Amino acid sequence: DAGVTQSPTHLIKTRGQQVTLRCSPKSGHDTVSWYQQALGQGPQFIFQYYEEEERQRGNFPDRFSGHQFPNYSSELNVNALLLGDSALYLCASSSGTGVFGELFFGEGSRLTVL
Amino acid sequence: DAKTTQPPSMDCAEGRAANLPCNHSTISGNEYVYWYRQIHSQGPQYIIHGLKNNETNEMASLIITEDRKSSTLILPHATLRDTAVYYCIVRTNTGTASKLTFGTGTRLQVTL
Repeated sequence: DAGVTQSPTHLIKTRGQQVTLRCSPKSGHDTVSWYQQALGQGPQFIFQYYEEEERQRGNFPDRFSGHQFPNYSSELNVNALLLGDSALYLCASSSGTGVFGELFFGEGSRLTVL
Repeated sequence: DAKTTQPPSMDCAEGRAANLPCNHSTISGNEYVYWYRQIHSQGPQYIIHGLKNNETNEMASLIITEDRKSSTLILPHATLRDTAVYYCIVRTNTGTASKLTFGTGTRLQVTL
């Protein structure tokens, strides 16, 4: 049973470019959350998708957008990249959006912005 | 969101119990305490969670004080593979969505 899978694992972009990161949730999960983890910091919540809608959003600008597909997979898009966007981007999946149960995290996509 | 406070680092000898404290004095009645750990930039790994009762699973035990303002994660017999950053998290549930608010975590170093 595959867990949460993310792609690509590493990528390098330059300032001003756009990036798309992808996530496939754990089998049986229908909710996907995205987190940004800067070096030496804890992960910060970006947003959560359920039933193809953004359900909650953290303190991130509109340059960060997402999408969830009918098969529950998800994409994170970041436009007009800044040096400060360099981070590990983590995807987490769960069954439903409630408090109960655990979130399963993927291994992340490490983005470097030059 | 309720904030958590953890010591930045702790050491533990292999085979001994590791007791990791966490303060969450502003926790609300419907918020759960979750513990995750992260080994060297891998994705965070779920350990345990609880509301107000003590909890135990195959990995660890979670002790929550009666006033719910603090908790302790206990790894009963720490091994070198338990060296990681441990995050104490209050899980906020807002109707149709929920999120994890991570703090800075405790870096646990298990030594021989």
